[in-house]
Amino acid sequence: DSGVTQTPKHLITATGQRVTLRCSPRSGDLSVYWYQQSLDQGLQFLIQYYNGEERAKGNILERFSAQQFPDLHSELNLSSLELGDSALYFCASSVDSWGRSTDTQYFGPGTRLTVL
Amino acid sequence: AQTVTQSQPEMSVQEAETVTLSCTYDTSENNYYLFWYKQPPSRQMILVIRQEAYKQQNATENRFSVNFQKAAKSFSLKISDSQLGDTAMYFCAFMASGYALNFGKGTSLLVTP
Repeated sequence: DSGVTQTPKHLITATGQRVTLRCSPRSGDLSVYWYQQSLDQGLQFLIQYYNGEERAKGNILERFSAQQFPDLHSELNLSSLELGDSALYFCASSVDSWGRSTDTQYFGPGTRLTVL
Repeated sequence: AQTVTQSQPEMSVQEAETVTLSCTYDTSENNYYLFWYKQPPSRQMILVIRQEAYKQQNATENRFSVNFQKAAKSFSLKISDSQLGDTAMYFCAFMASGYALNFGKGTSLLVTP
């Protein structure tokens, strides 16, 4: 158990819908990362938050957004869903000190999203 | 941009034998980290081993060790005394200091009895 929790484990929805994925980082971790794992694109970085603020963006679509709350949990919002958004979405967390990310990210169990 | 290449999509090894998974990367960064993550059928991403680029000594974690060749930008994973539970997808990943992970496409390892 990495200490990172994600809910829900599975999500099935229809095209055009909106969903929210939730992540709670390990206790004390300030940074949260979101990754998408799909068959054709592999594992891709989407976005990073540090202590409530967006720090870095990767290959995140405009239809996707995220935020990190004062209690450090994070939510990834996916809207206007398309078939191609079906994937496993991972959250990872790491400890930041002095404004720098340390070298190890611990992953949650993932949320499997199926868009029908 | 950093790229990570795993040239072996699939590998197979017999129980108790040793296997080496290859990984190469490309970067202009000087301060970075390298990782191997394991993804078993449960799909959980599990950290296997990490290496700081500034350290010349190869990292070791029990049966897992790496061969880090900085000049060649090579980072292979050796699994000794392979066990059935080692069956998984293995991902090599690169991280420049302060940034997100860049993953290779993975190597599917099957350990057979």
